[in-house]
Amino acid sequence: SAVISQKPSRDICQRGTSLTIQCQVDSQVTMMFWYRQQPGQSLTLIATANQGSEATYESGFVIDKFPISRPNLTFSTLTVSNMSPEDSSIYLCSVEQGYTFGSGTRLTVV
Amino acid sequence: AQSVTQLDSHVSVSEGTPVLLRCNYSSSYSPSLFWYVQHPNKGLQLLLKYTSAATLVKGINGFEAEFKKSETSFHLTKPSAHMSDAAEYFCVVSDPGAGSYQLTFGKGTKLSVIP
Repeated sequence: SAVISQKPSRDICQRGTSLTIQCQVDSQVTMMFWYRQQPGQSLTLIATANQGSEATYESGFVIDKFPISRPNLTFSTLTVSNMSPEDSSIYLCSVEQGYTFGSGTRLTVV
Repeated sequence: AQSVTQLDSHVSVSEGTPVLLRCNYSSSYSPSLFWYVQHPNKGLQLLLKYTSAATLVKGINGFEAEFKKSETSFHLTKPSAHMSDAAEYFCVVSDPGAGSYQLTFGKGTKLSVIP
């Protein structure tokens, strides 16, 4: 199974600012996925990121708020833009092979 | 469209007694099914997965699950609960046969283990 390194592991941010989360995979993967886990909730898919194409966003998520980059087959970033306290969540990335997850980024917006 | 329903939001068992966490799924094709565990303030760990091979799947830490197509169920069991099993458990479905590798999560079942 792929091993995913995700950073930062946690951050506390001011409202109105942006945070970029990185995921690095130890092997080449076609698809990477970004999920959000709000406090006390299950995981919800934000978007699917394929290398060389625009990310595909799920209902309720838009590119202006959650821009995603996928510059190569081992790396992706998710930016949470213009943050508000409602964005306080754990953000996780995943890949299709092995269905493994990064360790998550715990974001608190104050 | 795929979906999964975890029938219990909270299950409480005594240490040493059996664990049963229930999950029903809906899928258009031949699904892949998973159970993940999340300990407090920890990441997600894959317990086991079913991908169209043997219907009885054995996972880590003594957990197993049985895929029952006729009942559209994938219940998670363990013969004897340990205190370290206390955590949140998620049943998850994907539809690779439909070209979808994205995971759809259930709402989770919180397992409490009483000493």
